[in-house]
Amino acid sequence: SAVISQKPSRDICQRGTSLTIQCQVDSQVTMMFWYRQQPGQSLTLIATANQGSEATYESGFVIDKFPISRPNLTFSTLTVSNLSPEDSSIYLCSVAGNINTGELFFGEGSRLTVL
Amino acid sequence: GQSLEQPSEVTAVEGAIVQINCTYQTSGFYGLSWYQQHDGGAPTFLSYNGLDGLEETGRFSSFLSRSDSYGYLLLQELQMKDSASYFCAVRVRDDKIIFGKGTRLHILP
Repeated sequence: SAVISQKPSRDICQRGTSLTIQCQVDSQVTMMFWYRQQPGQSLTLIATANQGSEATYESGFVIDKFPISRPNLTFSTLTVSNLSPEDSSIYLCSVAGNINTGELFFGEGSRLTVL
Repeated sequence: GQSLEQPSEVTAVEGAIVQINCTYQTSGFYGLSWYQQHDGGAPTFLSYNGLDGLEETGRFSSFLSRSDSYGYLLLQELQMKDSASYFCAVRVRDDKIIFGKGTRLHILP
């Protein structure tokens, strides 16, 4: 198993500002995934963060809006830029426990509210 | 595109059995998994099917038919603590996991 710590757990931000979410894992992992989940909704994959290479973004998500850093095998950040109320959501960091079984471990999430 | 369809809500009685279905249409398929998420919590992994058939883990079982692009999660001897949202998820190309919209399970005493 993996223990994932996310910070902040929640934040309230003003429109037009940015928020950076940190994700720390207690073991080295190759791939880290960032998801977004609006309350009561599904998890939508934003991007895959690999150490030593650019993140791979899913359709509808772009690097300018969601820049990701992955400086080492235990840490990643996701920034949500130029915030609008539509960005209000829960952002979840995850890592593969056993990718062959589709097993992911998730952090507790960062709840963002944009005013 | 990718789509995973599952019922939005299911209601069952404590002690009963409930089945949550999932149909999928994805670009690449490397297995179907299920997750549980309680309100305010993170999703937790329940089960995985890579091949056709039934997998059993305690009170929970999961089934897959790749030819039908269909699977289900079966929960037996329901307990109040099983009230949660359940997501089916497919592993697609590049080791990405795509989630369904989730099924909210309500359990009545």
